[in-house]
Order: sequence, then structure tokens, then C-alpha cells
Amino acid sequence: DAGVIQSPRHEVTEMGQEVTLRCKPISGHDYLFWYRQTMMRGLELLIYFNNNVPIDDSGMPEDRFSAKMPNASFSTLKIQPSEPRDSAVYFCASRSTWGAKSTEAFFGQGTRLTVV
Amino acid sequence: DQQVKQNSPSLSVQEGRISILNCDYTNSMFDYFLWYKKYPAEGPTFLISISSIKDKNEDGRFTVFLNKSAKHLSLHIVPSQPGDSAVYFCAASSPSGTYKYIFGTGTRLKVLA
Repeated sequence: DAGVIQSPRHEVTEMGQEVTLRCKPISGHDYLFWYRQTMMRGLELLIYFNNNVPIDDSGMPEDRFSAKMPNASFSTLKIQPSEPRDSAVYFCASRSTWGAKSTEAFFGQGTRLTVV
Repeated sequence: DQQVKQNSPSLSVQEGRISILNCDYTNSMFDYFLWYKKYPAEGPTFLISISSIKDKNEDGRFTVFLNKSAKHLSLHIVPSQPGDSAVYFCAASSPSGTYKYIFGTGTRLKVLA
């Protein structure tokens, strides 16, 4: 498996524009997480899904943020409208609750978002 | 409110010496703890973990110690190598069954050759 795949790797956008980040989890993983990395908060959990269903979105900072998982192989995180303070690295991670590595979450390489 | 805290943003250690990275948590219900390592422009990768029923877990040069009464865990790297230079994140699992990890702010380790 190629691991967790995120796109784009880098995104530069103007304030007010809509931004969509994409994630393809590892095949067979039943949990998917969206994290945001900032200097102040480290890796901050935004939302996570189990079997494509959102379980906890309490970390989503504002209504401008939304996430979907239409099927087991794809998830999106959308920011509309974007603001400069949204600039950060966004990570997607997936995890299986079965098997020898069931306690480990696997991360993608991240999307570096810059809002100017 | 930060439930998992790494109070040292950075640490420098000489090659061959011991690196000790610390982590504190506030929620006594946490029952599983992990350390992740992150290189620049890459995603975090799993390093080592420990369950709350243990106080020590070892994997090669890496050992994690857990002190439940103090709500403290530490990662020891012996001997430290230049390739260990990275950001290390401590994570805790919220009470059993929810499967989400709460991460700290990270400690940047620099191993000097």
C-alpha cells in the first residue's frame, strides 16, 4: 500500500477563497483523522471518522471548516472562506482497529496551506 | 486547554549521549500513550508506545517510561545519533473505545555530531 495520500502538498490561496484538502486513507483502515499542526498547539485534532461517519468534530475551529468522507477511500477538508490564521500544515491519518498494528495511526505527508 | 504537554520546545544532545524527552498529561483516564517522530516535510511516524498497565517499554535504543501517579512519561534514546534529529510528539489515547489520539506540541531534538 502507498500509505496515506494527501493532495495538494502545498496550497497558497488568497484570503476569502475556498480551499479543499484531500485525503486517501490506507485501504482497509476504518478510522480517518484530520489534524492541524501549528507552533502553538502542536498536532491538533480537528475531526475524525469511523467507517465514513463523523464521530467527533469538536476540534473544528469554526463553521468555516467542514469535512466529508463520502466513501472509505476518500475524505475532504474544506475551508470557506479561508483566513490568514488558517495557515498551517494539515495532516490526514488513518488507522485500523484490527490486526497487529491496530494501535498505530499512519499519517500522510501533509498539506502546507498558506493564506495570504 | 492542552491535555498533553511537552514543555521543552527544543533539546540539543551530543551524539552518543542520552536524549530524554518529557511529556505530561492532565487526564487520568488516558490509558495508552505513544511517541511519534517527524522529519521536515514528512508526516509523523510511529516510534514506540506504552499501555497504562505498564511502566516501561523498550524497543532497541528507545525506551518509554510511564509514571501514572505523576501523569508523566518520558522517551529515552540511548545512544543518540544524528539521524534522530527530528520533532518528537507525545500522544495519549482518550478513554478506551474512542480511538482518537491527543498530541502534544512537540519537542525538536537536535543531535550534534
